[in-house]
Amino acid sequence: KQEVTQIPAALSVPEGENLVLNCSFTDSAIYNLQWFRQDPGKGLTSLLLIQSSQREQTSGRLNASLDKSSGRSTLYIAASQPGDSATYLCAVTGANSKLTFGKGITLSVRP
Amino acid sequence: GAGVSQSPSNKVTEKGKDVELRCDPISGHTALYWYRQSLGQGLEFLIYFQGNSAPDKSGLPSDRFSAERTGGSVSTLTIQRTQQEDSAVYLCASTSGLGRLNQPQHFGDGTRLSIL
Repeated sequence: KQEVTQIPAALSVPEGENLVLNCSFTDSAIYNLQWFRQDPGKGLTSLLLIQSSQREQTSGRLNASLDKSSGRSTLYIAASQPGDSATYLCAVTGANSKLTFGKGITLSVRP
Repeated sequence: GAGVSQSPSNKVTEKGKDVELRCDPISGHTALYWYRQSLGQGLEFLIYFQGNSAPDKSGLPSDRFSAERTGGSVSTLTIQRTQQEDSAVYLCASTSGLGRLNQPQHFGDGTRLSIL
């Protein structure tokens, strides 16, 4: 059974800092890995999707990497801003395109 | 609309009552998913639809839970004889059927269900 782990559960950083959020998964037989953002009381917004054959994806200040063989992904956020404060979830796609989620990292960026 | 729409946004009901939750996927998306998000459990997969059929119902927690999809569009998740442990946020997502494994899932804002 696929398990996705995100540690730590919460992170607080000062504005402007570059930061890395980690995600690990136990079964490397995945189709892709997605990073989502969730604001309080809202649904999930897809940030980046990395196909299993890819190593990384970039969007603006965000860069996500994937090492499928070791079961790891990182989300890099450059020059963090208070507006980046949210919960970031990692999810892997398995059979029937079913997503298995980590429990998320709650990020707080202090002005 | 442009995104996935869920209704109601909030639902409070008494234990033992039945509830229906609705999901309107993005137009043209043939794949639809239900997830449940509860404190301490994170996000759990419930059921997946491709068109009107459900090839994977493995996440439904009990026979009190059922879902259907009609016209390849709107889906309804029904919980019968609700229990307090059913309290959670129920999220719906959709994606294009073409090459769905390579497409991101688009989520609605969810229905927050509270069982008294």
